[in-house]
Amino acid sequence: GAGVSQSPSNKVTEKGKDVELRCDPISGHTALYWYRQSLGQGLEFLIYFQGNSAPDKSGLPSDRFSAERTGGSVSTLTIQRTQQEDSAVYLCASSLAQGQGAGANVLTFGAGSRLTVL
Amino acid sequence: GNSVTQMEGPVTLSEEAFLTINCTYTATGYPSLFWYVQYPGEGLQLLLKATKADDKGSNKGFEATYRKETTSFHLEKGSVQVSDSAVYFCALISKNRDDKIIFGKGTRLHILP
Repeated sequence: GAGVSQSPSNKVTEKGKDVELRCDPISGHTALYWYRQSLGQGLEFLIYFQGNSAPDKSGLPSDRFSAERTGGSVSTLTIQRTQQEDSAVYLCASSLAQGQGAGANVLTFGAGSRLTVL
Repeated sequence: GNSVTQMEGPVTLSEEAFLTINCTYTATGYPSLFWYVQYPGEGLQLLLKATKADDKGSNKGFEATYRKETTSFHLEKGSVQVSDSAVYFCALISKNRDDKIIFGKGTRLHILP
């Protein structure tokens, strides 16, 4: 597609429920990142994919968080047993990888999924 | 490991003032350097980049020069406008294949009319 697409754009859930957030990157982008941004705060790195593998999962806050990427394309971030502190905007970004041309490593961000845990 | 340090905000300036937002980095080798901007209510977008030492990135009147000797990539603009009010993020990525992009904490800029 033309841009990075994230869904849902808005999700309100009750504490303890599981949620899935989806990211559809730009076609051909092998690198995919998930970040979390709380109101007025900076970017909190969660996980990074290169193709279908995740060289760096160091940012996942707890074992309630997991992510996968299939077919080198769509990625899903899953949060189990949500807590109120999980409320934030979850951002996905993708880029061409090293050596893939002038646009390599230039991130294109999606509009984000705003999660509210009641 | 690699890291990015940028000046804390918020930074408040009057319209037409000169802007500098400092960014320094720690990295092995010669990373690529970026500035991203997030306007109110919008997503992050690339503002400018530089991929090698002494390169100058520029866009929308903003400039930043890749200084290897001082490991810096300071963002400058000669005359800011109210519409420049946003959060600015400095970032780097090394040339190692599996290294991830590292962002600074962001600097909020307020421009007063």
